Amino acid sequence: TQLLEQSPQFLSIQEGENLTVYCNSSSVFSSLQWYRQEPGEGPVLLVTVVTGGEVKKLKRLTFQFGDARKDSSLHITAAQPGDTGLYLCAGETSGGGADGLTFGKGTHLIIQP
Amino acid sequence: EAQVTQNPRYLITVTGKKLTVTCSQNMNHEYMSWYRQDPGLGLRQIYYSMNVEVTDKGDVPEGYKVSRKEKRNFPLILESPSPNQTSLYFCASSFGGAYQPQHFGDGTRLSIL
Repeated sequence: TQLLEQSPQFLSIQEGENLTVYCNSSSVFSSLQWYRQEPGEGPVLLVTVVTGGEVKKLKRLTFQFGDARKDSSLHITAAQPGDTGLYLCAGETSGGGADGLTFGKGTHLIIQP
Repeated sequence: EAQVTQNPRYLITVTGKKLTVTCSQNMNHEYMSWYRQDPGLGLRQIYYSMNVEVTDKGDVPEGYKVSRKEKRNFPLILESPSPNQTSLYFCASSFGGAYQPQHFGDGTRLSIL
């Protein structure tokens, strides 16, 4: 089992602030996905990063994959209440999809108006 | 509408009474998987399937069975449920494998008394 550590576990900030959450592992991942989950629903994919050093942007969300492909970060600029949710990272190791997918425990994010 | 459908959404049952949670997807996806989500433990993969008649154990397969007789269906079977299987269960599917975006169902909340 490949472990993914997410930090912080909980984060509550005011609307308009910036924040960064982290996803770290001692293992190398072929690809890493970020999901957001809202109460009563399944996770929904935000982005997939594949190349070491890759940066992807999704509106106010910026995702970065570490150069060694062992870690990733999610930065949110000017957070809004609609960003509230559980943010999950998930790593896949084989590169060909033959293995399973390992999720981190997630970061619970609350954006207060 | 592309979707992953789980049934039932909620179930309360007793120890030892066999149950099946169904999962169906209408996207012609090859890869399907089951997860359980528990507070403090996150999402953990139970079983996954790369295609019809091909299934593999995930991280927590004990006490569960699956089958993949048709591409669209991937039922999760609890032959003799126990209280430690009380959890929120998610089915997911993707086109190709674990490295592809996972489409999740809305979850099944199981309570085993």
